[in-house]
Amino acid sequence: DAGVIQSPRHEVTEMGQEVTLRCKPISGHNSLFWYRQTMMRGLELLIYFNNNVPIDDSGMPEDRFSAKMPNASFSTLKIQPSEPRDSAVYFCASSPRTGDTGELFFGEGSRLTVL
Amino acid sequence: GENVEQHPSTLSVQEGDSAVIKCTYSDSASNYFPWYKQELGKRPQLIIDIRSNVGEKKDQRIAVTLNKTAKHFSLHITETQPEDSAVYFCAASGYTGTASKLTFGTGTRLQVTL
Repeated sequence: DAGVIQSPRHEVTEMGQEVTLRCKPISGHNSLFWYRQTMMRGLELLIYFNNNVPIDDSGMPEDRFSAKMPNASFSTLKIQPSEPRDSAVYFCASSPRTGDTGELFFGEGSRLTVL
Repeated sequence: GENVEQHPSTLSVQEGDSAVIKCTYSDSASNYFPWYKQELGKRPQLIIDIRSNVGEKKDQRIAVTLNKTAKHFSLHITETQPEDSAVYFCAASGYTGTASKLTFGTGTRLQVTL
């Protein structure tokens, strides 16, 4: 398996533009997580899905952020409109376990810069 | 929710010395404590984990200890090598009956000098 695949790896955009980040989890994994990493706040959990269903989105900063998982092999994180403070590395991770805690397998991350 | 504190934020050791990173957590229901290593520009990767039913776990040069009463756990790296230089994150998680989520500490930047 190629691991968790994220795209784009780098995105530079201007304030107010819509940003869509994509993630393909490892086949067979039941849980998917979106994290944001910044120097100031470290790794923050934004939202996670279990069997394609959003379980906890309490970490989503505000209504500008939305995430979907239409099927077991694809998820998106959307920011609309984007702001400079959204600049960060966004990691997607998947886990094989359902109903228990297990290892998270992270993607390479999407580095977002909002000018 | 869970709150994880990690210390120190930076740590510099000489090659061959030991390094210790400590974390505390707030939720007594947490039962899973992994450690992730993140090299510069790379993704975090699991290096070792421990569950609440054991007090210590070892894997070659790394070990983790857990004190559930005090709600703290530590990562120990012995005989450090330059390739151990990275940011290390601790995390804590508890199963809620539906799913579970990891709360990460703020990270420790370890520098192993020659």
